[in-house]
Amino acid sequence: DAGVIQSPRHEVTEMGQEVTLRCKPISGHDYLFWYRQTMMRGLELLIYFNNNVPIDDSGMPEDRFSAKMPNASFSTLKIQPSEPRDSAVYFCASSFGGRGQPQHFGDGTRLSIL
Amino acid sequence: SQQGEEDPQALSIQEGENATMNCSYKTSINNLQWYRQNSGRGLVHLILIRSNEREKHSGRLRVTLDTSKKSSSLLITASRAADTASYFCATDNRRNTPLVFGKGTRLSVIA
Repeated sequence: DAGVIQSPRHEVTEMGQEVTLRCKPISGHDYLFWYRQTMMRGLELLIYFNNNVPIDDSGMPEDRFSAKMPNASFSTLKIQPSEPRDSAVYFCASSFGGRGQPQHFGDGTRLSIL
Repeated sequence: SQQGEEDPQALSIQEGENATMNCSYKTSINNLQWYRQNSGRGLVHLILIRSNEREKHSGRLRVTLDTSKKSSSLLITASRAADTASYFCATDNRRNTPLVFGKGTRLSVIA
């Protein structure tokens, strides 16, 4: 079975550019989560969706960050404009049946903003 | 905000030895989960223990939960070099919020 698929795996861009990260959750999963991982702050929850509806975006650091889930099989996380401090690994995860159920993670997008 | 706090932050052992990692948390939980993260990869779910359970096994993994002390431990027996990874605990608290992950324990198993 296909797991959570994220693209791109690596992204290097200059500050000020728009960055779009993509995620395809596991088919049938009704929750989708976006995380950011850094050495300093660990794994931070940015936003999560239930049945394609954003439930809590309180972890989104600034208005420069936005996320959408137009359908059950696709989500995007956009940063515009990007800044060097946004450099991190961004993970998407999905789960079925509740907020506290085991999550399945993609392999992340390593983002470097120069 | 972080709920689970793993201890130690880093652990280095020889192949064949047992590795024990601990997790403490602050609020009442429905369940506690352990995940593994290999370098450059996403987190992988290992095991879930419910608040009414005290011990659970899965292969070489043994998880205990003490709700009175708000703590859990993950024991990996007969460790292998392939067990080298970071291990995270995550709590499903009773506030109807998503899982909260700790900062992890980095385990190095030396062949």
